[in-house]
Amino acid sequence: KAGVTQTPRYLIKTRGQQVTLSCSPISGHRSVSWYQQTPGQGLQFLFEYFSETQRNKGNFPGRFSGRQFSNSRSEMNVSTLELGDSALYLCASSIRVRSRGDLYEQYFGPGTRLTVT
Amino acid sequence: DQQVKQNSPSLSVQEGRISILNCDYTNSMFDYFLWYKKYPAEGPTFLISISSIKDKNEDGRFTVFLNKSAKHLSLHIVPSQPGDSAVYFCAASAPENAGNMLTFGGGTRLMVKP
Repeated sequence: KAGVTQTPRYLIKTRGQQVTLSCSPISGHRSVSWYQQTPGQGLQFLFEYFSETQRNKGNFPGRFSGRQFSNSRSEMNVSTLELGDSALYLCASSIRVRSRGDLYEQYFGPGTRLTVT
Repeated sequence: DQQVKQNSPSLSVQEGRISILNCDYTNSMFDYFLWYKKYPAEGPTFLISISSIKDKNEDGRFTVFLNKSAKHLSLHIVPSQPGDSAVYFCAASAPENAGNMLTFGGGTRLMVKP
């Protein structure tokens, strides 16, 4: 079974530009979450999508947005890039959203390394 | 305000000995805790989890202990192997209204020396 794939793996952008990152979850998984990893802040939750609807959102500015398609693939977009947006962006998929105490394992992709210059 | 903290950024252990990685949390709503392992250029991979109704969960060489009154959990790896060298993250999950959102600690880099 193929794992979570993220494209591109590496990206260099200039301040002020915008960027779109893509995530393809494991086949059959309907929940996709995005995380930002930086040396100073660690892994921070960005948002989660399930069945094309945003379920949760972390404490990030409105420049960070996402969407999910009917095939569960997800994209995240960052507009007006800042130097501080340089990070590893990780996508995780899960078969479904947690409910009634059940916790479903999340599988992470290898990430997209974004460098903003 | 960090709700999940790993106060040791790094840990060095001799092969064959025990590795103990610690994690503290502040949010009493967390009811599920997980440990992930991360190698460079890869995403985190799930290791082991524990529900707040338990105080211990074991899986092979890995054991997680949870002390709810102290809001503290630890991961024990026995015996440690060089292949265990990686960054370890603890993470916490709140009940279903938070979906699949995980709150991560800052990570501890474990180095197992041959």
